[in-house]
Formats: sequence, C-alpha cells, structure tokens
Amino acid sequence: DAKTTQPNSMESNEEEPVHLPCNHSTISGTDYIHWYRQLPSQGPEYVIHGLTSNVNNRMASLAIAEDRKSSTLILHRATLRDAAVYYCILGGTGNQFYFGTGTSLTVIP
Amino acid sequence: GAVVSQHPSWVICKSGTSVKIECRSLDFQATTMFWYRQFPKQSLMLMATSNEGSKATYEQGVEKDKFLINHASLTLSTLTVTSAHPEDSSFYICSARNERKWAKNIQYFGAGTRLSVL
Repeated sequence: DAKTTQPNSMESNEEEPVHLPCNHSTISGTDYIHWYRQLPSQGPEYVIHGLTSNVNNRMASLAIAEDRKSSTLILHRATLRDAAVYYCILGGTGNQFYFGTGTSLTVIP
Repeated sequence: GAVVSQHPSWVICKSGTSVKIECRSLDFQATTMFWYRQFPKQSLMLMATSNEGSKATYEQGVEKDKFLINHASLTLSTLTVTSAHPEDSSFYICSARNERKWAKNIQYFGAGTRLSVL
C-alpha cells in the first residue's frame, strides 16, 4: 500500500492561509491523491483530489509536485470550522483507502 | 451531493449479543462500500470491502466470522458484530464509492456508529 507522511499537527491563525504538506515518495502512476478531513466523532469529509495537475474547488486547492512525490493542501482563509484532522490518502481507481495518521490542524482565533 | 447514511449513530449492548449497523447510499448507487473502525485518538483502519451481490473482502487480521458483512442491494450494506465483547467497542464508519465516472475515485463516508459493549 502506498504510504503517505504528514506532520502530526499544525497551527494556523484564523483568516490566514494554511498549507498542509504530504509526502508520498512511493506513489504509483495511477494513484490519485485524496484529501479528507475529520471532525471529532464524525466520519471523514471529502475535501479534494487530483492526479497530476493542481486542482481548485470551493473548499481548498491542491498543489501537486511535478514528480508527484509530494502535495500540499491549501486552505486559503482558515476558519475555526476548519479545525480538524486532515488525511492525505493515495488511491487508484477502485482501490481501497488506507489512512495514515493525518495532521491535526488547530485554528487560533 | 452524495450522502451516506449510517444507522444507528450509537449503540450500547451487553457482552455476547450481536449488533447490526446499516450503511445506505441515499442518492447514488454503490456497488462497493467499505467498513472501517477507529479507536480513540487513532486513525481509521480499513476492515473490509463490501461488494454488492458477492462476498466481502476482509483485510488481514479481521475475523470474517465475527464481522459479518452483507451487501444485498446497490444502496445498502450491513455490518453485524457477532457475540460482541468489550474489546469490540469502537467507532465504526462506512463509506460508499460513487460509481459514476466523474466521481469514481471519491468515497463518501457515513457519520459513524459508536459501539459500546458492556
């Protein structure tokens, strides 16, 4: 199973941008990069996913390195509601998800 | 958006009893659903892949006779924890994959079921 490495925790001030890094040096050519986040006692919530090109949606942006061995989830303006554990997961079409430890994001008012 | 409903949200049972958890995709069809468990302060651990109309595929170390999975329709998968014991107490989460081409790589998760075995 392709593995990802994320910092255990990060802090951000409210209304400032947040860059959450993820390393995935063993990624295969067909693996998509997925980001989910989880609030306490809730199921994970889809944030964004991509393959090679950078992606934007209403929640966040995903910047993917040219060699695809790392990626960065960008929250443009952190709010208190963005405080969660963020998971970076690799998965090809139809493949299972194997969650790593994720990054616990604290947003400081 | 795609919605996955999980029921019940929490359950308390006596040791030795069986508990059934339901996972439904409300607005899309899902030939594949997944079951995870999560212990406090830990990440999600994949237990099994549930396939509509066929047997589930279990991850290594997960007892298939203890965690019975049935995926009888394109919108419903069930997980039954048989003869539950206190060590089975955990947060159980299901997910469903939207089979439409544009969303094929996305899993949508239920809100989870908190199981406490006394």
